[in-house]
Amino acid sequence: EAQVTQNPRYLITVTGKKLTVTCSQNMNHEYMSWYRQDPGLGLRQIYYSMNVEVTDKGDVPEGYKVSRKEKRNFPLILESPSPNQTSLYFCASSTIGQGSGYGYTFGSGTRLTVV
Amino acid sequence: LAKTTQPISMDSYEGQEVNITCSHNNIATNDYITWYQQFPSQGPRFIIQGYKTKVTNEVASLFIPADRKSSTLSLPRVSLSDTAVYYCLVVFTSGTYKYIFGTGTRLKVLA
Repeated sequence: EAQVTQNPRYLITVTGKKLTVTCSQNMNHEYMSWYRQDPGLGLRQIYYSMNVEVTDKGDVPEGYKVSRKEKRNFPLILESPSPNQTSLYFCASSTIGQGSGYGYTFGSGTRLTVV
Repeated sequence: LAKTTQPISMDSYEGQEVNITCSHNNIATNDYITWYQQFPSQGPRFIIQGYKTKVTNEVASLFIPADRKSSTLSLPRVSLSDTAVYYCLVVFTSGTYKYIFGTGTRLKVLA
């Protein structure tokens, strides 16, 4: 089954304790991205990657890091989480190109609480 | 980058056609428009995509006028299970790719 898998689904952590949220896709998609969703603010792009070793900042990259060492994986790293990073996080992937289109497949989400 | 805006909410009755419009007044010729449905605490689900004129699939139609300053998602004969938040998303394809979501429209389908 074609899917994007995020782990964990729920995470409660303390301020300053480094954490990683994993994301993996099995569709050989070039493009992968991370979003955070907050009430009243919609879905905001954190980082994206157009292919292996190619990453770029989205609209809200502060406090986050990413890496793309393999095509299928795109982990999100919070080096020193703070309470304002409490949010619902989604990973997504898509093909790129007018022939194949740009439709995203999303993961199930990770609800992160930083206390 | 263009700002994408949508109505905050809409109500409809079962069996009616629903049209949700997204305004994106400054997109380039090859920028793409996609639409998603989201239920609470779930990831958005892809509905349809296009970049000009009209596209139709088994669940929706997408209308994009010639000036491309807006697009309209059309849902035929909605049911209660279509109650959700609907997002347009513009894919900016010039240079680096950015996928920017609209503000979202909360659709409530009434019996």
